[in-house]
Amino acid sequence: GENVEQHPSTLSVQEGDSAVIKCTYSDSASNYFPWYKQELGKRPQLIIDIRSNVGEKKDQRIAVTLNKTAKHFSLHITETQPEDSAVYFCAASKPAGSEKLVFGKGMKLTVNP
Amino acid sequence: GAGVSQSPSNKVTEKGKDVELRCDPISGHTALYWYRQSLGQGLEFLIYFQGNSAPDKSGLPSDRFSAERTGGSVSTLTIQRTQQEDSAVYLCASSPVGGAYEQYFGPGTRLTVT
Repeated sequence: GENVEQHPSTLSVQEGDSAVIKCTYSDSASNYFPWYKQELGKRPQLIIDIRSNVGEKKDQRIAVTLNKTAKHFSLHITETQPEDSAVYFCAASKPAGSEKLVFGKGMKLTVNP
Repeated sequence: GAGVSQSPSNKVTEKGKDVELRCDPISGHTALYWYRQSLGQGLEFLIYFQGNSAPDKSGLPSDRFSAERTGGSVSTLTIQRTQQEDSAVYLCASSPVGGAYEQYFGPGTRLTVT
């Protein structure tokens, strides 16, 4: 089955710096890659997603890139702010079957003011 | 509109007891998922509903776990004879149609088995 690896597991940056989170997946049939942000004690919130027919997607300070050949995708956050501090999860799903999300183990981002 | 809701928000139970966790999806969403999140871990898929049927139960960890969905809406996850390793946050998500569409999560039920 699908396996999603996420790294690094923790990242600390200064306010205003950029942050990059990388994920790899194993199943070439996967075609949907969402990113979730989870603040402490809160539900995961979808922040951006990408489908396999595009290579990059941007939404204000966040962007996601996808390399289907290498089977990896990345989240980029620019001009980080303290409120960006959270755990970020990448996930992958494929069109056949339940389209369940297979998650990475998450990355804790700390933005220091 | 209203998001996904879950109840109870917290549940403490003694080992060996049965528990029921409830999920109310976003109105009109046909796909419903249950996930489990252990402390400091990612989310682990449990079961998927499309309407009232469950075509994918592959993530249920044992036969002590079961779930049902009625009226294409509310779902209940039941854990029988709870064990300490069942302690986790149980999250429900719904999606408009399934099939690589956005999944929206509820706030979760934190289950503690003592």
